[in-house]
Amino acid sequence: NAGVTQTPKFQVLKTGQSMTLQCAQDMNHNSMYWYRQDPGMGLRLIYYSASEGTTDKGEVPNGYNVSRLNKREFSLRLESAAPSQTSVYFCASISGRVGSGNTIYFGEGSWLTVV
Amino acid sequence: AQTVTQSQPEMSVQEAETVTLSCTYDTSESDYYLFWYKQPPSRQMILVIRQEAYKQQNATENRFSVNFQKAAKSFSLKISDSQLGDAAMYFCAYRRETGAGSYQLTFGKGTKLSVIP
Repeated sequence: NAGVTQTPKFQVLKTGQSMTLQCAQDMNHNSMYWYRQDPGMGLRLIYYSASEGTTDKGEVPNGYNVSRLNKREFSLRLESAAPSQTSVYFCASISGRVGSGNTIYFGEGSWLTVV
Repeated sequence: AQTVTQSQPEMSVQEAETVTLSCTYDTSESDYYLFWYKQPPSRQMILVIRQEAYKQQNATENRFSVNFQKAAKSFSLKISDSQLGDAAMYFCAYRRETGAGSYQLTFGKGTKLSVIP
């Protein structure tokens, strides 16, 4: 199915462990985003990539790193997980083409618990 | 920085009745898009409706319609004939192009809608 694919869907980490959340889209989109969602906080932007080879910090980048490996893939890495990073993470992408429908496509979310 | 404000953390509506969810945003741009997304308990993000800022006509999608007031920077969602399946968290979102293929994307904190049978 076309769309945005995130892996893993669920993960439990111990404090201090590292992990990478993977995101891939098969729609040839330029812009990709990583958000975290916490109760009462809505969706907060962690990092985004406007195009292949570029990444920029969002609202809450501390404790995270990203890689835009190619146009399809945008990964989010937690180098040393902390309980405050327990959250649901969403990857999203947007087409840069005029007349594309300008829809934001979301992955299904990755539920991360840090104990 | 652009901000999106949803002033109603929670709302409830009787089944078959109409409810309006509020959204205001702050921007100095003239060209942008606005969206309403629905998030049921499964956490999947589902597009409900979108509005292009340069279009004066309010968008509609079946039972869902918006009241877009560009000068007031207001973008409310009206749900008519509410159904139990409409119960969800609703997010308002703002999107504008910041460069070639680069987009700023900002979400409100969400409104939790309950539908009473």
